[in-house]
Amino acid sequence: GENVEQHPSTLSVQEGDSAVIKCTYSDSASNYFPWYKQELGKRPQLIIDIRSNVGEKKDQRIAVTLNKTAKHFSLHITETQPEDSAVYFCAAGGSAGGFKTIFGAGTRLFVKA
Amino acid sequence: GAVVSQHPSRVICKSGTSVKIECRSLDFQATTMFWYRQFPKQSLMLMATSNEGSKATYEQGVEKDKFLINHASLTLSTLTVTSAHPEDSSFYICSAPDRAEETQYFGPGTRLLVL
Repeated sequence: GENVEQHPSTLSVQEGDSAVIKCTYSDSASNYFPWYKQELGKRPQLIIDIRSNVGEKKDQRIAVTLNKTAKHFSLHITETQPEDSAVYFCAAGGSAGGFKTIFGAGTRLFVKA
Repeated sequence: GAVVSQHPSRVICKSGTSVKIECRSLDFQATTMFWYRQFPKQSLMLMATSNEGSKATYEQGVEKDKFLINHASLTLSTLTVTSAHPEDSSFYICSAPDRAEETQYFGPGTRLLVL
């Protein structure tokens, strides 16, 4: 089955700096890679996703890249703000696997003002 | 986007009792739904895949007799935690894929506390 690894587990940045979170996956059949932000006590919220037919996607301060050959995908947050502080999860899944989504272990991001 | 609801949002029960959690897809049909469990400061761990009209598929290490799943309609899956114990206290979240959009939608979660 799918296995997703995520690094780092904790990331602390100064406000305005960039933050990068990296993930790897094992199942080459996975074709959908969402990223979720979870604030304390709340459900995960989808912030951006990428499908296997593209290599990069950007939405304002957030971008995601995908390297299918290496089975790597990354989240990039630019100009970080204190409200970006949360736990971020990468995940892998998609139609090829019956939409079963497997999550990475999560990255706790702290943005210091 | 599509909406997935969960009920109840929070439940406190005594050890040894059973608790039922409902997951509904409100504006789309879901032949498959997924149940996750999240312990504090941990990731979402997939427990099982709920299949409409057939048996659920459980992940390795998840006791199917303890976590009963029923997916009786295209919009409703239920998870029953039988004979709950304090170690079952967790955040339970369901999700349903909207196949037309090829996107997963998560319910708001159910926080279970077993005393």
